[in-house]
Amino acid sequence: GGIITQTPKFLIGQEGQKLTLKCQQNFNHDTMYWYRQDSGKGLRLIYYSITENDLQKGDLSEGYDASREKKSSFSLTVTSAQKNEMAVFLCASSIRTGDTQYFGPGTRLLVL
Amino acid sequence: GEQVEQLPSILRVQEGSSASINCTYENSASNYFPWYKQEPGENPKLIIDIRSNMERKQTQGLIVLLDKKAKRFSLHITDTQPGDSAMYFCAAKGGNEKITFGAGTKLTIKP
Repeated sequence: GGIITQTPKFLIGQEGQKLTLKCQQNFNHDTMYWYRQDSGKGLRLIYYSITENDLQKGDLSEGYDASREKKSSFSLTVTSAQKNEMAVFLCASSIRTGDTQYFGPGTRLLVL
Repeated sequence: GEQVEQLPSILRVQEGSSASINCTYENSASNYFPWYKQEPGENPKLIIDIRSNMERKQTQGLIVLLDKKAKRFSLHITDTQPGDSAMYFCAAKGGNEKITFGAGTKLTIKP
């Protein structure tokens, strides 16, 4: 089996701050994803990457940057945190795009 | 891009009865439809999926049906138990390889 780790687990930021979330997987999966989940709502795709150094925009990419530095890691940057923003950011990976996705534990963001 | 509509958003059923969740999609090229269960404080977990070359799939009390003509797919949980209470999300993989999720259904099993 493998594991997906996300750091940090909790992130408290200030309005306008640039914040970076990290994700690592040891499944050796090609594709990695970043989703945003607002309380009680569905998942919205921010970015995904089908291989190292690849980047594809999702439905919610505005206000975010992402980077696939190597196959096992995918980071997400909130370019300017919005006041009172509160959401969970979920990282996932799959063998190939469209295959079963395995999710990480999430990073909970709160912006004061 | 793909749009996935999921209904109902809230579902309460008596323990032992069945629960059904329905999703529709727009892109006729979509070919992969996973279902996820998310319990409070946990991340989503894949519970069952179906590909476009099938119309029905069943595993451990879960049945998924796919009607490609109507662009509709559904999840049916038979003999519901308290442990089935959770958020359920459907999803569809469009022709551009992105997976789009439905808004979710909060299922509560009443004892």
